[in-house]
Amino acid sequence: DSGVTQTPKHLITATGQRVTLRCSPRSGDLSVYWYQQSLDQGLQFLIQYYNGEERAKGNILERFSAQQFPDLHSELNLSSLELGDSALYFCASSVGGAANGYTFGSGTRLTVV
Amino acid sequence: KNEVEQSPQNLTAQEGEFITINCSYSVGISALHWLQQHPGGGIVSLFMLSSGKKKHGRLIATINIQEKHSSLHITASHPRDSAVYICAVMGGSGGSNYKLTFGKGTLLTVNP
Repeated sequence: DSGVTQTPKHLITATGQRVTLRCSPRSGDLSVYWYQQSLDQGLQFLIQYYNGEERAKGNILERFSAQQFPDLHSELNLSSLELGDSALYFCASSVGGAANGYTFGSGTRLTVV
Repeated sequence: KNEVEQSPQNLTAQEGEFITINCSYSVGISALHWLQQHPGGGIVSLFMLSSGKKKHGRLIATINIQEKHSSLHITASHPRDSAVYICAVMGGSGGSNYKLTFGKGTLLTVNP
């Protein structure tokens, strides 16, 4: 157990639907990062939050949004889902910026049918 | 051209062999990570390097900042080392020091 908890582990949903992925960072970590891993694009950075505030944004679609709550857990919301959104979604956490090292969660596998 | 290039894409070795995976990058970075991903998906951070060399057990990672190149070595390889190894750099053309940009990974298979 890495200390970073992601739920659910697997999710199957239909096109057009909306889902929420949840991440609880390792105790003491203030930064949360979201990554998407698809077969054609590989691993890509989506977004980073630090202590509740958005810190950096990557290749995140407008249909996707995220937030970090006061207890530091984070949620990634994916809406109007398309087949191409099927992927593994990873959360990672670090104490501050990523220069302090990363811990990854085990991922949520999203299948859109 | 990808910012992070790994080679080889696939590597098959016999148990006990010395293995080297290479990573080249084309942008300025603040640090480089080596990650391991087993079948089933979980990602483990093996090393984070900003200079020199690090060793952990049978794994050694080196980085040459001037050459923009890093290598991951596995000594006395074992079938349990079979996994995808991913190089990721922190900092890049996007200007943020926090995001990771990933190579496409090297699939290592170690046969008994």
